Parts: sequence; structure tokens; C-alpha cells
Amino acid sequence: DAKTTQPPSMDCAEGRAANLPCNHSTISGNEYVYWYRQIHSQGPQYIIHGLKNNETNEMASLIITEDRKSSTLILPHATLRDTAVYYCIVSLEYNFNKFYFGSGTKLNVKP
Amino acid sequence: KAGVTQTPRYLIKTRGQQVTLSCSPISGHRSVSWYQQTPGQGLQFLFEYFSETQRNKGNFPGRFSGRQFSNSRSEMNVSTLELGDSALYLCASSLGWTTNNEQFFGPGTRLTVL
Repeated sequence: DAKTTQPPSMDCAEGRAANLPCNHSTISGNEYVYWYRQIHSQGPQYIIHGLKNNETNEMASLIITEDRKSSTLILPHATLRDTAVYYCIVSLEYNFNKFYFGSGTKLNVKP
Repeated sequence: KAGVTQTPRYLIKTRGQQVTLSCSPISGHRSVSWYQQTPGQGLQFLFEYFSETQRNKGNFPGRFSGRQFSNSRSEMNVSTLELGDSALYLCASSLGWTTNNEQFFGPGTRLTVL
């Protein structure tokens, strides 16, 4: 079962930062936080993942709280193409690619 | 490098029939996972194969089965189709031999059961 809680939808103005929250209060020490997004029924696309430290790549930044009970995905300059459903997933270190997806957050980027 | 490919992209079947879906992973990837996506249940994990062996299994009935070939290509089969099996079926591949590999998803096969 999914171990994460996300708001069902969020709006963001084009060019502004989009901050997507995720609660994972029951996360254990060896569980990673993954973020994927799905654009209009295409296959989900990997964005970023992390364990304890904040992570940044060319797509986004991941901020994980010190107690690891929540995290925030940041898209620094949202574009219309970032409109998608964003999934936050908690996965055991040795879970061998078995992901439990929750309902995700529908991000609407508006001009 | 080519991405994950799935065939066919669209499929229409009737209740009681069976169906076979195919997934070709990214070259060099040895793990293939299958997911079912429906509006009501969202994305649900079906099973995962690594080196021709089922390594992980979700909570689906025995009508759902799969296999993996020596070239890492995978097929999933659904027998005795029900209306509720109408869904987008996604496969994802990853290296599979280290932990927490990034999964790369294919475009999916849209199955409609009439």
C-alpha cells in the first residue's frame, strides 16, 4: 500500500517555482523517496530520488526534512509542459523495483 | 539508446478471451516490472522479473501472469478477461542488479475489454 499523502491538486503560474509537498510519516530508515510524474496517460517519468540529504538535478530539487517525515519537490521555473500528475513514492532499499503509487498531485501550470 | 517499447499500443478484447502484452526493455536492463493503471485504483504493481525469474509479485489474481526471456524481453498474459481488466498496462525496466535503480517506463498498452 502507498505510504505517502499528497494534495490532490495544485496550481502554479508559469515561470514561478512549483513546490509539491509529500507526507511520509511512517518512512523507515532505509526507505528512499522517489518522485515521478505522468503526463496525460503516458508512462511515468523519473524526476529525482533521495534518502536523507537534499538532492538537485537538471529537472528539480528534492528537499527532505530532517526527521524524514515529509519532503518537497521543487520545480524552479514551471512551464506549461510541467502540467502532469506528480507521484511521491517511498521505496525500501531492497525492494527491487516494486513501487506503490498513491493518488499523486495534479499540477496545473497556468499562463 | 532506445527507450522501453510496448506492443501493441491499443487492444480491444471481449470478456473471456485472453491477451498477451509485450515489453522490450532498454538495452542492458535486466529487470522488467509491470503495472496496471485504472481511474479507480490508480497505478498498481503487478510483478517484476529479473533474469527470467519472478522476483516480486503484487496482489493480483492468478489470471495475471508473466514471463521473461533470456534477452530480458517480457510478456504478461491475462486469461479469462473481465470488464474490470480494462486498463493501461505499463512496463518499466531498470538495471535491476543494484538497489534503487531508476525505473524507465514504456508508453503503455491500452486494453479495452468489451
